[in-house]
Amino acid sequence: QVQLVQSGAEVKKPGASVKVSCKVSGDTLSELSMHWVRQAPGKGLEWMAGFDPENGEIVYAQKFHGRVTMTEDTSTDTSFMELSSLRSEDTAVYYCATVMASLAWGGFYFDDWGQGTLVTVSS
Amino acid sequence: DIHMTQSPSSVSASVGDRVTITCRASQNTAGWLAWYQQRPGKALKLLIYAGSSLQDGVPSRFSGSGSGTDFTLTISSLQPEDFATYYCQQANKFGNTFGGGTKVEMK
Repeated sequence: QVQLVQSGAEVKKPGASVKVSCKVSGDTLSELSMHWVRQAPGKGLEWMAGFDPENGEIVYAQKFHGRVTMTEDTSTDTSFMELSSLRSEDTAVYYCATVMASLAWGGFYFDDWGQGTLVTVSS
Repeated sequence: DIHMTQSPSSVSASVGDRVTITCRASQNTAGWLAWYQQRPGKALKLLIYAGSSLQDGVPSRFSGSGSGTDFTLTISSLQPEDFATYYCQQANKFGNTFGGGTKVEMK
């Protein structure tokens, strides 16, 4: 049973950066395809970035390209998502989630989720 | 990006009711469609993938149907733990997007 445990809530000023972590237990990060999804208050879900196991690359949603960086530390089984140039609209809960491996050749179904990390951007 | 529209945005129902939620895509999803449940204080949960396949451990009262651009999630007999918000997702790896959500509330 994969468990994803995320870092705690953050408060940041506009223009700053935030780095959220997601530690894997019950499996190793190198065996998983990790992704990041966010949810603004009272809003729906928005995919940001993730690892595509078909080509071994990290792919980004066009909306965030250039502002979001996803990295992985396989020695500690921890994934990181860094979002820069923060603005008030980035206030959201950020989730890490793993992709169902058997269908990752064509699509990203998220079968395990972290508990979420609230990032508040306020001056 | 493919835009996903869910309806209704909320529904009031009682335990034992049959509940149906629809999801319409702006383009053909080729069957890459999932449904998720979000309960307060709980991790998001994958219910249905590939339009109609039940994820392991999900009760059989949940079912999915549809193809192309139009999909449906049905809860055959609503249970107390099913009061939650449900999201559809078109899962194409070249730009997956979610619907706006449907909140199932107690009548």
